[in-house]
Amino acid sequence: AQSVTQLGSHVSVSEGALVLLRCNYSSSVPPYLFWYVQYPNQGLQLLLKYTSAATLVKGINGFEAEFKKSETSFHLTKPSAHMSDAAEYFCAVSDRGGKLIFGQGTELSVKP
Amino acid sequence: DTGVSQDPRHKITKRGQNVTFRCDPISEHNRLYWYRQTLGQGPEFLTYFQNEAQLEKSRLLSDRFSAERPKGSFSTLEIQRTEQGDSAMYLCASSFDQQPQHFGDGTRLSIL
Repeated sequence: AQSVTQLGSHVSVSEGALVLLRCNYSSSVPPYLFWYVQYPNQGLQLLLKYTSAATLVKGINGFEAEFKKSETSFHLTKPSAHMSDAAEYFCAVSDRGGKLIFGQGTELSVKP
Repeated sequence: DTGVSQDPRHKITKRGQNVTFRCDPISEHNRLYWYRQTLGQGPEFLTYFQNEAQLEKSRLLSDRFSAERPKGSFSTLEIQRTEQGDSAMYLCASSFDQQPQHFGDGTRLSIL
C-alpha cells in the first residue's frame, strides 16, 4: 500500500526566506510523486511532478522538489517566499494507476 | 481548456435528504476522479472512471454513494440519505490517461 507523510501541519516563514515543506512516501513500486497547492475555497493546482526522470524537478512559481529514493523523500523548496505563497500544500503519490494518495497537508504562512 | 467545472459550489441540505453533484471534466480527458476532503485533511480517493467505465471504488464509498459517467463525458455523484459525516468538500479531477490530474473547485456539502 502507498502512503504519504507530511512533516509539520503548519510552517511559518518570513517573506524572502527559504521555504522547505517536507514529504516522505511509502510505495512498493516506483512511485509518481506530486505537489499540489490549494488556496481557500478552491481546488488543487499542480505545482510539480516526479515521474522517474530527473530527480530534481522544477515547477511553477519558483518551486522545486528533489526525489531521494534512499530517504524516501520528496521535499518541496523555494529559495525566497512571497506573500502570495501562503496556502495549503499537499504531497501525493500515485502507483501509476492514476488515483492519488495525499498527505494531510502543510499550511504555509508568510510573514511580512 | 476551460478547466474542470463542478456544480453546485455549495449545497446545504437536511440530514436524510438525497443530493447530487455534477462534474464536467476537461473535454479531451478520458479519466475522471472523485475525491472527498474534510476540514484539515488531504483529499481521499472515492472512485474513478476511464471513459464510461467505473474502474475502481474506494471502501469509503458506502452503498449510499453512487457515481455515474454515462457517456464518458460529465459525471454525477449522488449521496442518498445523507448523514452528518457526509459534510465535506467533494472534489472532481480529470486527466488524459496517466497525465497529472486537473481539479475543479469542488462542491462543499453541509448537512444540517
